[in-house]
Amino acid sequence: DVVMTQSPLSLPVTLGQPASISCRSSQSLVYSDGNTYLTWFQQRPGQSPRRLIHKASNRDSGVPDRFSGSGSGTDFTLKISRVEAGDVGVYYCMQGAHWPITFGQGTRLEIK
Amino acid sequence: QVQLVQSGAEVKKPGASVKVSCKASGYTSTSYALHWVRQAPGQSLEWMGWINVGNGDTKYSQKFQGRVSITRDTSASTAYMELSSLRSEDTAVFYCARSAFDIWGQGSMVTVSS
Repeated sequence: DVVMTQSPLSLPVTLGQPASISCRSSQSLVYSDGNTYLTWFQQRPGQSPRRLIHKASNRDSGVPDRFSGSGSGTDFTLKISRVEAGDVGVYYCMQGAHWPITFGQGTRLEIK
Repeated sequence: QVQLVQSGAEVKKPGASVKVSCKASGYTSTSYALHWVRQAPGQSLEWMGWINVGNGDTKYSQKFQGRVSITRDTSASTAYMELSSLRSEDTAVFYCARSAFDIWGQGSMVTVSS
């Protein structure tokens, strides 16, 4: 199975400051169709996961442009340019290029 | 609006089975696959399996192979996930999610306790 490794696992951030989460995969996430199947989710306390970014860098409709995804191959990053109180929660990366689909351990973002 | 609505919380004894439903609305359900994902308390997300709602094809994680069955009723726009031989470690929230994980259900809490 493809192992997804996130860092850090805990991320205390001051309001208004930037935040960055790394996600590394044990195999390349470039699929035979040329797309890179790396997805980022936000899970606020008590809620279902919400998709933020798909195919590594495509922001979903309704997601603030403070969120951006980048990376290629096996190395990916989610950046939040200015953290707001509503960003508190756990962030997961997920790979969909290989069966079975696998998720990272999650990064808990909190306000310092 | 596009949504997935899941069945309610369940309490089961060890060794029993549970069947969770996921009803799609706001879109043509047979045009999209559905995934099932498990989340134990305080833990990450774990993919269990997938069904092509159009033709009924399924694919399961090896971890759950033999214990999980995903089915669908196209007339009711509903998919089902049945997990058997339940143990305490199966206590979790179970989610359904549309094919690209763009839409998620609200989750169904399953508690396994004697």
